[in-house]
Amino acid sequence: AAGVIQSPRHLIKEKRETATLKCYPIPRHDTVYWYQQGPGQDPQFLISFYEKMQSDKGSIPDRFSAQQFSDYHSELNMSSLELGDSALYFCASSPTLKGIGSPLHFGNGTRLTVT
Amino acid sequence: ILNVEQSPQSLHVQEGDSTNFTCSFPSSNFYALHWYRWETAKSPEALFVMTLNGDEKKKGRISATLNTKEGYSYLYIKGSQPEDSATYLCAFFKAAGNKLTFGGGTRVLVKP
Repeated sequence: AAGVIQSPRHLIKEKRETATLKCYPIPRHDTVYWYQQGPGQDPQFLISFYEKMQSDKGSIPDRFSAQQFSDYHSELNMSSLELGDSALYFCASSPTLKGIGSPLHFGNGTRLTVT
Repeated sequence: ILNVEQSPQSLHVQEGDSTNFTCSFPSSNFYALHWYRWETAKSPEALFVMTLNGDEKKKGRISATLNTKEGYSYLYIKGSQPEDSATYLCAFFKAAGNKLTFGGGTRVLVKP
């Protein structure tokens, strides 16, 4: 069965560079979530989208932006990278807005290292 | 409680023993409680989505209960096996908004 696909799997960037992370949800899933997990930390919610519109926003820095496209894939754009942005970035998708009966399906994550 | 808290942070269990651990969450504005299993080098995998007070769900040797009035959920592993070793995450979905708030997880290590 198709799963959530994230690319790239690993990314190494220098400080002040930009990075773009991509997420392709499971077909017919219309809701996408982004989470950040720093070393030894809980996963932190960044942002979510439903039907190409932002539906909720968490602790996402102003240097980051994200969008969901017409094919439901999502991209997380990160600018002016800082060392503290080094983390594992997870994308997850769900077939309904609140997913009351539907769990999130996670991708394998993108590990971003900022040097 | 304002955030999602899990205890203990880690647990060592002898193979064959049963164990349980707790997820505490805000009792107001409840919508759903999720449990995920997260093995090293893999992505989190859904175990349960619980929505009703008193809910009990079971998947093989793993089961969970839910008390929305007091804001806690228990996850039970019966007859632990080495393959149960993982981090178990709970996540709270509140009625307003569209995000899951995760707890810090309970890391379970089952020793043969």
